[in-house]
Amino acid sequence: KNQVEQSPQSLIILEGKNCTLQCNYTVSPFSNLRWYKQDTGRGPVSLTIMTFSENTKSNGRYTATLDADTKQSSLHITASQLSDSASYICVVTGGSQGNLIFGKGTKLSVKP
Amino acid sequence: NAGVMQNPRHLVRRRGQEARLRCSPMKGHSHVYWYRQLPEEGLKFMVYLQKENIIDESGMPKERFSAEFPKEGPSILRIQQVVRGDSAAYFCASSPPDGPNSPLHFGNGTRLTVT
Repeated sequence: KNQVEQSPQSLIILEGKNCTLQCNYTVSPFSNLRWYKQDTGRGPVSLTIMTFSENTKSNGRYTATLDADTKQSSLHITASQLSDSASYICVVTGGSQGNLIFGKGTKLSVKP
Repeated sequence: NAGVMQNPRHLVRRRGQEARLRCSPMKGHSHVYWYRQLPEEGLKFMVYLQKENIIDESGMPKERFSAEFPKEGPSILRIQQVVRGDSAAYFCASSPPDGPNSPLHFGNGTRLTVT
Protein backbone atom coordinates (compact mmCIF):
# COMPACT_ATOMS: atom_id res chain seq x y z
CA LYS A 1 0.00 0.00 0.00
CA ASN A 2 1.35 3.46 -0.90
CA GLN A 3 2.01 5.40 2.29
CA VAL A 4 3.92 8.43 3.51
CA GLU A 5 4.80 8.60 7.19
CA GLN A 6 6.15 11.73 8.85
CA SER A 7 7.83 12.17 12.19
CA PRO A 8 7.69 13.68 14.65
CA GLN A 9 4.01 14.58 14.66
CA SER A 10 4.86 17.84 16.41
CA LEU A 11 7.99 19.64 17.52
CA ILE A 12 8.79 22.67 19.65
CA ILE A 13 12.14 24.39 19.32
CA LEU A 14 13.69 27.68 20.41
CA GLU A 15 14.30 30.45 17.92
CA GLY A 16 17.74 30.19 16.34
CA LYS A 17 18.01 26.42 16.77
CA ASN A 18 18.17 23.89 13.94
CA CYS A 19 15.78 20.99 13.47
CA THR A 20 15.23 18.02 11.18
CA LEU A 21 11.92 16.56 10.09
CA GLN A 22 11.61 13.03 8.73
CA CYS A 23 9.57 11.44 5.96
CA ASN A 24 9.48 7.71 5.14
CA TYR A 25 7.55 6.41 2.19
CA THR A 26 6.47 3.15 0.59
CA VAL A 27 5.36 4.50 -2.78
CA SER A 28 6.11 2.56 -5.94
CA PRO A 29 6.76 3.49 -8.65
CA PHE A 30 8.38 6.72 -7.47
CA SER A 31 8.50 9.97 -9.45
CA ASN A 32 9.38 12.67 -6.94
CA LEU A 33 9.18 13.85 -3.35
CA ARG A 34 8.03 17.33 -2.38
CA TRP A 35 8.11 19.29 0.85
CA TYR A 36 5.48 21.92 1.52
CA LYS A 37 5.06 24.49 4.27
CA GLN A 38 1.52 25.24 5.41
CA ASP A 39 0.90 28.26 7.61
CA THR A 40 -2.27 28.24 9.71
CA GLY A 41 -5.24 29.24 7.61
CA ARG A 42 -3.31 29.21 4.35
CA GLY A 43 -2.66 26.78 1.51
CA PRO A 44 0.57 24.75 1.31
CA VAL A 45 3.54 26.44 -0.32
CA SER A 46 6.21 24.45 -2.13
CA LEU A 47 9.68 24.34 -0.56
CA THR A 48 11.47 21.68 -2.64
CA ILE A 49 10.87 18.94 -5.16
CA MET A 50 13.38 16.11 -5.71
CA THR A 51 13.38 13.40 -8.33
CA PHE A 52 14.98 9.97 -8.06
CA SER A 53 18.42 11.18 -9.12
CA GLU A 54 18.63 14.09 -6.67
CA ASN A 55 19.73 13.52 -3.10
CA THR A 56 19.80 17.07 -1.76
CA LYS A 57 18.13 20.37 -2.56
CA SER A 58 18.21 23.67 -0.72
CA ASN A 59 15.83 26.61 -0.57
CA GLY A 60 17.29 29.28 1.68
CA ARG A 61 17.44 27.92 5.23
CA TYR A 62 15.60 24.76 4.17
CA THR A 63 17.59 21.75 2.96
CA ALA A 64 15.89 18.55 1.88
CA THR A 65 17.63 15.22 1.44
CA LEU A 66 16.44 12.10 -0.32
CA ASP A 67 17.67 8.53 -0.02
CA ALA A 68 15.79 6.61 -2.69
CA ASP A 69 17.32 3.31 -1.59
CA THR A 70 15.96 3.47 1.95
CA LYS A 71 12.95 5.54 0.86
CA GLN A 72 13.62 8.25 3.38
CA SER A 73 13.72 12.02 3.19
CA SER A 74 14.52 14.72 5.69
CA LEU A 75 13.92 18.45 5.83
CA HIS A 76 16.54 20.39 7.78
CA ILE A 77 15.77 23.91 8.94
CA THR A 78 18.74 26.04 9.91
CA ALA A 79 18.70 28.95 12.36
CA SER A 80 14.95 28.74 12.89
CA GLN A 81 12.79 31.85 12.96
CA LEU A 82 9.40 32.49 14.53
CA SER A 83 7.93 32.56 11.02
CA ASP A 84 8.99 28.94 10.52
CA SER A 85 6.13 27.92 12.82
CA ALA A 86 3.87 25.93 10.49
CA SER A 87 3.00 22.43 9.37
CA TYR A 88 5.49 20.77 7.04
CA ILE A 89 4.03 18.27 4.61
CA CYS A 90 5.85 15.56 2.67
CA VAL A 91 4.22 14.54 -0.61
CA VAL A 92 5.35 11.66 -2.82
CA THR A 93 4.27 11.35 -6.46
CA GLY A 94 3.80 7.85 -7.81
CA GLY A 95 4.10 6.87 -11.43
CA SER A 96 1.55 9.26 -12.90
CA GLN A 97 0.87 12.98 -12.59
CA GLY A 98 -2.24 12.66 -10.47
CA ASN A 99 -0.93 10.03 -8.07
CA LEU A 100 0.09 12.19 -5.08
CA ILE A 101 0.38 10.63 -1.63
CA PHE A 102 0.37 13.06 1.29
CA GLY A 103 1.89 12.65 4.71
CA LYS A 104 -0.05 13.97 7.70
CA GLY A 105 2.54 16.64 8.36
CA THR A 106 4.80 17.72 11.21
CA LYS A 107 3.61 20.71 13.21
CA LEU A 108 6.59 22.90 14.11
CA SER A 109 6.40 25.59 16.78
CA VAL A 110 9.31 27.99 17.12
CA LYS A 111 9.35 29.80 20.47
CA PRO A 112 11.23 33.01 21.32
CA ASN B 1 0.94 35.75 -12.90
CA ALA B 2 -1.70 35.31 -10.23
CA GLY B 3 -1.62 32.18 -8.12
CA VAL B 4 -4.42 29.69 -7.65
CA MET B 5 -7.51 31.67 -6.68
CA GLN B 6 -10.25 30.19 -4.56
CA ASN B 7 -13.49 31.83 -3.61
CA PRO B 8 -15.17 32.42 -1.40
CA ARG B 9 -12.58 32.28 1.39
CA HIS B 10 -15.29 31.62 3.93
CA LEU B 11 -18.71 30.12 3.31
CA VAL B 12 -21.47 29.54 5.83
CA ARG B 13 -24.37 27.31 4.93
CA ARG B 14 -27.30 25.89 6.88
CA ARG B 15 -27.87 22.16 6.86
CA GLY B 16 -29.62 21.12 3.66
CA GLN B 17 -28.36 24.01 1.55
CA GLU B 18 -25.95 23.76 -1.35
CA ALA B 19 -22.31 24.89 -1.28
CA ARG B 20 -20.43 25.88 -4.44
CA LEU B 21 -16.69 26.33 -4.16
CA ARG B 22 -14.73 27.87 -7.01
CA CYS B 23 -11.13 27.45 -8.07
CA SER B 24 -9.35 29.38 -10.81
CA PRO B 25 -6.06 27.63 -11.62
CA MET B 26 -2.86 29.39 -12.51
CA LYS B 27 -2.50 30.51 -16.11
CA GLY B 28 -1.45 27.62 -18.30
CA HIS B 29 -2.49 24.97 -15.76
CA SER B 30 -4.99 22.49 -17.11
CA HIS B 31 -4.94 20.07 -14.16
CA VAL B 32 -6.89 20.73 -10.97
CA TYR B 33 -7.03 18.82 -7.71
CA TRP B 34 -9.40 19.24 -4.79
CA TYR B 35 -8.48 18.35 -1.21
CA ARG B 36 -10.32 18.49 2.09
CA GLN B 37 -8.71 19.27 5.45
CA LEU B 38 -10.20 18.95 8.90
CA PRO B 39 -8.67 20.95 11.79
CA GLU B 40 -5.33 19.50 12.94
CA GLU B 41 -5.45 16.84 10.21
CA GLY B 42 -3.69 16.27 6.89
CA LEU B 43 -4.96 16.95 3.40
CA LYS B 44 -7.29 14.28 1.99
CA PHE B 45 -7.53 13.83 -1.77
CA MET B 46 -10.99 14.22 -3.26
CA VAL B 47 -10.85 14.57 -7.03
CA TYR B 48 -8.44 15.18 -9.91
CA LEU B 49 -9.69 16.86 -13.06
CA GLN B 50 -8.36 17.99 -16.40
CA LYS B 51 -10.24 20.37 -18.65
CA GLU B 52 -13.71 18.86 -19.22
CA ASN B 53 -12.68 15.48 -17.77
CA ILE B 54 -12.71 13.84 -14.36
CA ILE B 55 -9.54 11.75 -14.13
CA ASP B 56 -9.84 10.36 -10.60
CA GLU B 57 -12.72 10.89 -8.20
CA SER B 58 -11.88 8.05 -5.86
CA GLY B 59 -11.64 10.35 -2.83
CA MET B 60 -14.97 12.05 -3.31
CA PRO B 61 -18.15 10.74 -1.67
CA LYS B 62 -20.50 9.29 -4.27
CA GLU B 63 -23.51 11.13 -2.93
CA ARG B 64 -24.02 14.89 -2.66
CA PHE B 65 -20.55 15.78 -4.00
CA SER B 66 -19.69 16.64 -7.59
CA ALA B 67 -16.88 18.46 -9.37
CA GLU B 68 -16.38 19.94 -12.78
CA PHE B 69 -13.69 21.79 -14.70
CA PRO B 70 -15.30 23.24 -17.83
CA LYS B 71 -13.49 24.35 -20.96
CA GLU B 72 -14.04 27.95 -19.92
CA GLY B 73 -14.21 29.22 -16.36
CA PRO B 74 -13.17 27.95 -12.94
CA SER B 75 -13.38 24.49 -11.50
CA ILE B 76 -16.40 24.04 -9.24
CA LEU B 77 -16.76 21.72 -6.26
CA ARG B 78 -20.43 21.36 -5.44
CA ILE B 79 -21.84 19.94 -2.23
CA GLN B 80 -25.58 19.39 -2.16
CA GLN B 81 -27.68 19.16 1.01
CA VAL B 82 -24.76 19.96 3.27
CA VAL B 83 -24.46 18.36 6.70
CA ARG B 84 -22.43 19.41 9.74
CA GLY B 85 -19.75 16.85 8.87
CA ASP B 86 -19.01 18.73 5.64
CA SER B 87 -17.53 21.58 7.67
CA ALA B 88 -13.86 21.72 6.68
CA ALA B 89 -11.30 23.63 4.66
CA TYR B 90 -11.33 22.74 0.97
CA PHE B 91 -8.14 23.36 -0.97
CA CYS B 92 -7.63 23.44 -4.69
CA ALA B 93 -4.29 22.88 -6.42
CA SER B 94 -3.32 23.21 -10.05
CA SER B 95 -0.48 22.08 -12.28
CA PRO B 96 0.51 22.30 -15.94
CA PRO B 97 0.22 19.21 -18.15
CA ASP B 98 3.94 18.41 -17.87
CA GLY B 99 3.88 15.00 -16.27
CA PRO B 100 4.44 13.79 -12.70
CA ASN B 101 7.25 16.29 -11.99
CA SER B 102 5.05 19.27 -12.79
CA PRO B 103 4.95 21.99 -10.15
CA LEU B 104 1.85 21.89 -7.96
CA HIS B 105 0.47 25.13 -6.59
CA PHE B 106 -2.24 25.47 -3.94
CA GLY B 107 -4.85 28.11 -3.30
CA ASN B 108 -5.58 29.42 0.19
CA GLY B 109 -8.71 27.37 0.54
CA THR B 110 -12.40 27.86 1.23
CA ARG B 111 -13.50 27.35 4.81
CA LEU B 112 -16.97 25.88 4.83
CA THR B 113 -19.02 26.07 8.02
CA VAL B 114 -22.34 24.25 8.17
CA THR B 115 -24.65 25.47 10.91
